Amino acid sequence: DGGITQSPKYLFRKEGQNVTLSCEQNLNHDAMYWYRQDPGQGLRLIYYSQIVNDFQKGDIAEGYSVSREKKESFPLTVTSAQKNPTAFYLCASRDVGGVQETQYFGPGTRLLVL
Amino acid sequence: KQEVTQIPAALSVPEGENLVLNCSFTDSAIYNLQWFRQDPGKGLTSLLLIQSSQREQTSGRLNASLDKSSGRSTLYIAASQPGDSATYLCAVITDYGQNFVFGPGTRLSVLP
Repeated sequence: DGGITQSPKYLFRKEGQNVTLSCEQNLNHDAMYWYRQDPGQGLRLIYYSQIVNDFQKGDIAEGYSVSREKKESFPLTVTSAQKNPTAFYLCASRDVGGVQETQYFGPGTRLLVL
Repeated sequence: KQEVTQIPAALSVPEGENLVLNCSFTDSAIYNLQWFRQDPGKGLTSLLLIQSSQREQTSGRLNASLDKSSGRSTLYIAASQPGDSATYLCAVITDYGQNFVFGPGTRLSVLP
């Protein structure tokens, strides 16, 4: 089955703790994205990567970090500098230059602060 | 900066009704526009993608149209069913950008 997986489904963060959200895709897509969704709001872009070993900040990158060491993996770390991390986090990928360039999404990770 | 809005924010209709969801964007220089469906607590599922050179796309009971010059797209759902209840989001990617900009969504409830 081709698709995007995110883990864990739920994640709890303690004060001052860094946590990492996993995103893996087997669609052979070059581009990958991380979005944050808050209740009643649209998706806001945190970071994106067009190619391995390269990534760019989105609109709300402060307090987050990413890496892209492999094409299929794009983990997101929520650092202690992110003061309001409670949200639903969505990872996506896209076949840039493909026929449709449709964006595909994972099932999401809900992050809660203890 | 590209901004995307969606009207209405919420909509409740009886089963069987035809309905239209609206999406507006401020910068007409878009590369493509995509409509998604999101069920509560879930990720997004792609419904339709319209390339900038296209006017509309159809899939089953869904039809999406695009008018770049006026900065508008509509999603038409025919013969609505309770299973259509979800939040519908539109997203655009501009010619010069690499990222999608999302609207806030329309929350649809189809009552049996």
